[in-house]
Amino acid sequence: QVQLQESGPGLVKPSQTLSLTCTVSGGSISSGTYFWNWIRQPAGKGLEWIGRIYTSGSTNYNPSLKSRVTISVDTSKNQFSLKLSSVTAADTAVYFCARAVVISSTISYADYWGQGSLVTVSS
Amino acid sequence: SSELTQDPAVSVALGQTVRITCQGDSLRSYYASWYQQKPGLAPVLVIYGKNNRPSGIPDRFSGSTSRNTASLTITGAQAEDEADYYCNSRDSSGNHLGVFGTGTKVTVL
Repeated sequence: QVQLQESGPGLVKPSQTLSLTCTVSGGSISSGTYFWNWIRQPAGKGLEWIGRIYTSGSTNYNPSLKSRVTISVDTSKNQFSLKLSSVTAADTAVYFCARAVVISSTISYADYWGQGSLVTVSS
Repeated sequence: SSELTQDPAVSVALGQTVRITCQGDSLRSYYASWYQQKPGLAPVLVIYGKNNRPSGIPDRFSGSTSRNTASLTITGAQAEDEADYYCNSRDSSGNHLGVFGTGTKVTVL
């Protein structure tokens, strides 16, 4: 059974960089045709896709966040990470990591999710 | 555009049927996936592709698509189905999982 677990600081000051790591257990991050994603959810609001990485290192980001986001992978540790720079209060949210399966060009889905990590941006 | 629009809230009597819709241009090209989210928990995949349920998801959940609208139907709603539901698909840039719907709160009466 694959499990994902987010970790990182719960409080970040405005203008600084938010950093989170997702540790994958129960399977190798390098096996299979999966993309590894970050998704966030402000309190009381909907889900927002932040970006994804493939184990080759290729990335795609939400255009609205692209200038501030970096996602990286460390296959030796079975982890992938998120960095979001120049944060403001609007970046306060629960951050989820999730595994995505791509069946075809028209079908993809996230089958495993972490429990989520609340990050508050405040001085 | 990369927007997926859902009704904010729907209610259903216990044991009855409810349909949740998701509208967006990307659904003309890509299938939606659907996620159930209960308070304080991570989303759970309930439907993907044309009409596929992951292992462990009851068969009262089903999905369909027509033109630019995807639908999730719960036939014989149970109390435990009360939750927020989100659709998702590729966005206009082609990013898998790139756009989520606005979410629908389902209340079981």
